[in-house]
Amino acid sequence: GENVEQHPSTLSVQEGDSAVIKCTYSDSASNYFPWYKQELGKGPQLIIDIRSNVGEKKDQRIAVTLNKTAKHFSLHITETQPEDSAVYFCAALNTGTSYGKLTFGQGTILTVHP
Amino acid sequence: NAGVMQNPRHLVRRRGQEARLRCSPMKGHSHVYWYRQLPEEGLKFMVYLQKENIIDESGMPKERFSAEFPKEGPSILRIQQVVRGDSAAYFCASSPGQGRGNEQFFGPGTRLTVL
Repeated sequence: GENVEQHPSTLSVQEGDSAVIKCTYSDSASNYFPWYKQELGKGPQLIIDIRSNVGEKKDQRIAVTLNKTAKHFSLHITETQPEDSAVYFCAALNTGTSYGKLTFGQGTILTVHP
Repeated sequence: NAGVMQNPRHLVRRRGQEARLRCSPMKGHSHVYWYRQLPEEGLKFMVYLQKENIIDESGMPKERFSAEFPKEGPSILRIQQVVRGDSAAYFCASSPGQGRGNEQFFGPGTRLTVL
């Protein structure tokens, strides 16, 4: 089955700096890669996703890149703000054979210091 | 448009009791997924259901756990004879299952504590 590795496990940045979180996946057939933000005591919130037919996607201060050859994808947050502090999870899915079974990374605790 | 709703938000059970977790998907969504999150870990897939059908239960423990999504009413995750190792946060997600059906939207979770 699919296996997703996420790094780093913790990330501390100063307000205004950029943050990058990286994930690798094992199943080359995976074709959908969402990123979730989870705040303390809440459920994961979908913040951005990318499909295997594109290499990059942006939404304001966040962007995701995908390298299918290397089987890794990354989340980039620019101009970080204290409210970006949360746990971030990447996930992967093969929509052809596992319609709904998201495989998650272990999570990254992002702390943005004012 | 209300999001995914889960109740109860917190549930305390003693060992051997039953736990019932409920999930109401977003309006218009007919696909429900359950995930479990152990303390300081990522989310692990448990089961995927459509109305009245279990599509994929490959992540469900073989014993004591069951799930349903009836024609009317919320999806139910049922844990019989709970043990301390069942203590976790259980999240439900839903998707429309059409077009952009890959997007899963999560509820706030039920935090189960087994004493």
